[in-house]
Amino acid sequence: AQSVTQLGSHVSVSEGALVLLRCNYSSSVPPYLFWYVQYPNQGLQLLLKYTTGATLVKGINGFEAEFKKSETSFHLTKPSAHMSDAAEYFCAVFRDDKIIFGKGTRLHILP
Amino acid sequence: DTAVSQTPKYLVTQMGNDKSIKCEQNLGHDTMYWYKQDSKKFLKIMFSYNNKELIINETVPNRFSPKSPDKAHLNLHINSLELGDSAVYFCASSHSGSYNSPLHFGNGTRLTVT
Repeated sequence: AQSVTQLGSHVSVSEGALVLLRCNYSSSVPPYLFWYVQYPNQGLQLLLKYTTGATLVKGINGFEAEFKKSETSFHLTKPSAHMSDAAEYFCAVFRDDKIIFGKGTRLHILP
Repeated sequence: DTAVSQTPKYLVTQMGNDKSIKCEQNLGHDTMYWYKQDSKKFLKIMFSYNNKELIINETVPNRFSPKSPDKAHLNLHINSLELGDSAVYFCASSHSGSYNSPLHFGNGTRLTVT
């Protein structure tokens, strides 16, 4: 069973606009959640993670995500998109001693 | 200083050949992984090692054989390569495989089987 579901395989936003990438997780998994980013021809790098504590998590490059248990969601946001944000974004969950990734969302930034 | 390094970066070979990919990390981590990323960017774990011991072995054909000579190195040997093995293979490492320790990825090895 899919542990995380990312809504939208491609998302396009204008430079300066709000970025919203959606992720829902299976309620059967512990809420250890992550967002990773993959720039072209590179490996993934961690943007942010939620394990315990504050439900609003701040990450690198101005990104943040909010853990909402009632909605089983962990959406990624950034107030103002920059051209350098164009990349593939992966939501992930820790389960069965491993990190399982969603299918990814390609973020396109329009000039 | 590269944290997780993989070689080679590109690998083009013919069906039926045997090839190896090497990975090294200098982060002092004790857990290392191989992930496979297909053409649709889907990323799936293949193996993980903790202190040279195999701890995760997903449903992977036995043509794939990982080997960890020490906790800083994890290699992947693939026998009798098939067209479907074409993908990008990522090595990663973390501390103790804990949920609190993020994965650090190499830049990948793009394998093309013709």
